[in-house]
Amino acid sequence: GDSVTQTEGLVTLTEGLPVMLNCTYQSTYSPFLFWYVQHLNEAPKLLLKSFTDNKRPEHQGFHATLHKSSSSFHLQKSSAQLSDSALYYCASFAYNTNTGKLTFGDGTVLTVKP
Amino acid sequence: GPKVLQIPSHQIIDMGQMVTLNCDPVSNHLYFYWYKQILGQQMEFLVNFYNGKVMEKSKLFKDQFSVERPDGSYFTLKIQPTALEDSAVYFCASSPGQGLGAETLYFGSGTRLTVL
Repeated sequence: GDSVTQTEGLVTLTEGLPVMLNCTYQSTYSPFLFWYVQHLNEAPKLLLKSFTDNKRPEHQGFHATLHKSSSSFHLQKSSAQLSDSALYYCASFAYNTNTGKLTFGDGTVLTVKP
Repeated sequence: GPKVLQIPSHQIIDMGQMVTLNCDPVSNHLYFYWYKQILGQQMEFLVNFYNGKVMEKSKLFKDQFSVERPDGSYFTLKIQPTALEDSAVYFCASSPGQGLGAETLYFGSGTRLTVL
């Protein structure tokens, strides 16, 4: 089945430094890729979504480029803010006939310090 | 943005009892999901539901689990009987129809279930 790998479980940064969270995936079909962000005791919220190769969606200063050749969808931001501290999930969604499901990576906890 | 509501936010029950977790999905969404998150671990797919039927379920969706959405009301997850290993946060999600962004799931804030 599908799988998503996030290599960093914990990332700690100083405010103002760039952010890069890694994500690679394996899928039988050509999936949609997502980044969700989850703050404590809140719902996971959609941050970014992509299906198109080499396209770079952006939201709230974050961006990620889907590279199908390397099966990657790394999340980046040029300058971390304190409010970016949260749990970040990379996820893939592939249709299988008329249904599908979202498969999550293990998540990366990002902590931004002053 | 679209809101999925989950009631209650916390539930504590004794092992062996029945529990029903309620989800009010986004209006006009057609696909519904339950995910399970044990503290400190990843979000794991349990089941998806469309047009009144379970479309796909994972190995985590034990025989004691059932889902339904009677008459377009709440989408529910029932566990009967509960076991200690059912303690987790359960997230409900919904998404639009195919061709309308069915791959984009909107999540509720979760119900934290504690089985004693």
